[in-house]
Amino acid sequence: GQQVMQIPQYQHVQEGEDFTTYCNSSTTLSNIQWYKQRPGGHPVFLIQLVKSGEVKKQKRLTFQFGEAKKNSSLHITATQTTDVGTYFCASNQAGTALIFGKGTTLSVSS
Amino acid sequence: NAGVTQTPKFRILKIGQSMTLQCAQDMNHNYMYWYRQDPGMGLKLIYYSVGAGITDKGEVPNGYNVSRSTTEDFPLRLELAAPSQTSVYFCASSYSWNTEAFFGQGTRLTVV
Repeated sequence: GQQVMQIPQYQHVQEGEDFTTYCNSSTTLSNIQWYKQRPGGHPVFLIQLVKSGEVKKQKRLTFQFGEAKKNSSLHITATQTTDVGTYFCASNQAGTALIFGKGTTLSVSS
Repeated sequence: NAGVTQTPKFRILKIGQSMTLQCAQDMNHNYMYWYRQDPGMGLKLIYYSVGAGITDKGEVPNGYNVSRSTTEDFPLRLELAAPSQTSVYFCASSYSWNTEAFFGQGTRLTVV
């Protein structure tokens, strides 16, 4: 099955700094989904990317899917304390379940 | 719509006891999943189902069983609980394999 590796595992930033988390695979991915989990909460879907080189934006969040569909990134511009949480990438193929990366935990100090 | 409902929210089990974690969704989703989350370890897939009557093993199925007799329900059975099963369990569902997954609130299980 598809495996996805995420780096870094932890990241601490000052409020207003940018943040990026990366998701990598040794195989070509059918899709990549991103989820956010607030402390003590459950994962919440953010976005799905399916096309080679795709870039999508949600306010301060920018999501990219690599040209070879083997990597993806989530970039947050000017972090805020509300961005605190763990960000997961996940992927699957038709008829199979989502497999999640280990996540990147973001902490933000004001 | 309630979305994905998990019960109970918390449970303490003694070693060797059994229990069933309940999961129900009211969105007519075909796919349902069970994950466990240990601190710093991300979400590991236990079992999943692509439709009523169909289940398949995930990454860590040992010690667990599932059934999917209806579209709405996907219970997870723990037999002979062990301390290694102490974890937070999440149930999730999605309409198809490439649509967003909705998660329940989770069940925090402690085995002592």
